[in-house]
Amino acid sequence: AQTVTQSQPEMSVQEAETVTLSCTYDTSESNYYLFWYKQPPSRQMILVIRQEAYKQQNATENRFSVNFQKAAKSFSLKISDSQLGDTAMYFCAFMEYGNKLVFGAGTILRVKS
Amino acid sequence: DAEITQSPRHKITETGRQVTLACHQTWNHNNMFWYRQDLGHGLRLIHYSYGVQDTNKGEVSDGYSVSRSNTEDLPLTLESAASSQTSVYFCASSEGGLSYNEQFFGPGTRLTVL
Repeated sequence: AQTVTQSQPEMSVQEAETVTLSCTYDTSESNYYLFWYKQPPSRQMILVIRQEAYKQQNATENRFSVNFQKAAKSFSLKISDSQLGDTAMYFCAFMEYGNKLVFGAGTILRVKS
Repeated sequence: DAEITQSPRHKITETGRQVTLACHQTWNHNNMFWYRQDLGHGLRLIHYSYGVQDTNKGEVSDGYSVSRSNTEDLPLTLESAASSQTSVYFCASSEGGLSYNEQFFGPGTRLTVL
């Protein structure tokens, strides 16, 4: 079974600075997708960024980018120019064949002014 | 606009009662999923469906059941609620098939079992 590990339960960053959230996963599959979801206090799950395992180029969405290391099974999220609205719980997730998601435990990110 | 809704948003019930959480989507998605969110575990898959009359067990299915009689709805039933089922429940949907399609999430239901 696939597993996803987020080793940082909580992190904090100053506004306008850069922060990196870590995620590792374990799988024997050759193709899969990886996702980062944001969950603000409203509880809504918001897709931040996704990465297909076959694509070597790291995905980027505005201030959000990933560092995907397939051999190391690592998928970290970098948030640049952090904003107060980035304060949220962030979940790393692995999508296996069958369209099912396996989530990590989450990292609480607090952006300080 | 297409959306996915859940009701109720908050529910308090007693141990042993049957509880049904509703999930309704207007995306016309074939795939629907139920997850529960608990501190330290993230979201875990309870049940899922790839279409009408299709249901499958997920990682934490004990004590839960679902049925899919139409494309739009996947209600989740707790047959006899237990305190261990106190959690936040999320419904999600995605385009049909087994491929890697983005899942869209509902707003969640907070269930408390006393």
